[in-house]
Amino acid sequence: AQSVTQLGSHVSVSEGALVLLRCNYSSSVPPYLFWYVQYPNQGLQLLLKYTSAATLVKGINGFEAEFKKSETSFHLTKPSAHMSDAAEYFCAVSLSGTYKYIFGTGTRLKVLA
Amino acid sequence: DTAVSQTPKYLVTQMGNDKSIKCEQNLGHDTMYWYKQDSKKFLKIMFSYNNKELIINETVPNRFSPKSPDKAHLNLHINSLELGDSAVYFCASSPVEVTGELFFGEGSRLTVL
Repeated sequence: AQSVTQLGSHVSVSEGALVLLRCNYSSSVPPYLFWYVQYPNQGLQLLLKYTSAATLVKGINGFEAEFKKSETSFHLTKPSAHMSDAAEYFCAVSLSGTYKYIFGTGTRLKVLA
Repeated sequence: DTAVSQTPKYLVTQMGNDKSIKCEQNLGHDTMYWYKQDSKKFLKIMFSYNNKELIINETVPNRFSPKSPDKAHLNLHINSLELGDSAVYFCASSPVEVTGELFFGEGSRLTVL
């Protein structure tokens, strides 16, 4: 069965520092991978998605993620954190041929001034 | 125009009562979902409908009953509410292809007293 593991439920970075949020997946077939962001009292919105077209995926707000099959990872990065990046981030996986999306447990990003 | 809209946004009710949450999407998507987000932000899929047909029914108590009158609407009715039902319930929709992203509503926060 497919699953997603997010390492670190809380991550703090200084404004202007690199953001790295970790996601590892488990899947017996090539997965489709997603990162979503949730701001307080809002629904989730898509940051970026991997659907096998390119291993380095660029998303909105300066975020990007790299699919590494050998490491079964899909880590999210941003070169320079901004205060507005403070939110909850979710990694998710879906399997081709299914309608099921499985979410990780989330990582809360705190940006320090 | 809100793409996925849920009503009500907040519900506060007593144990044992029955409540409903409505969801509508104007994106023309074929698939709709209900997710439950608990106090630790964990997102768990509950149900999914594709063109009014139930396709995912996770291990959810029978007290929860989804209903899709047409492909643009997916409602959730909960009978005999319990304290453990307190959570934020998110409606989402997606295009028919599974590489498509999920579009989330803003959530309905249910508090059972």
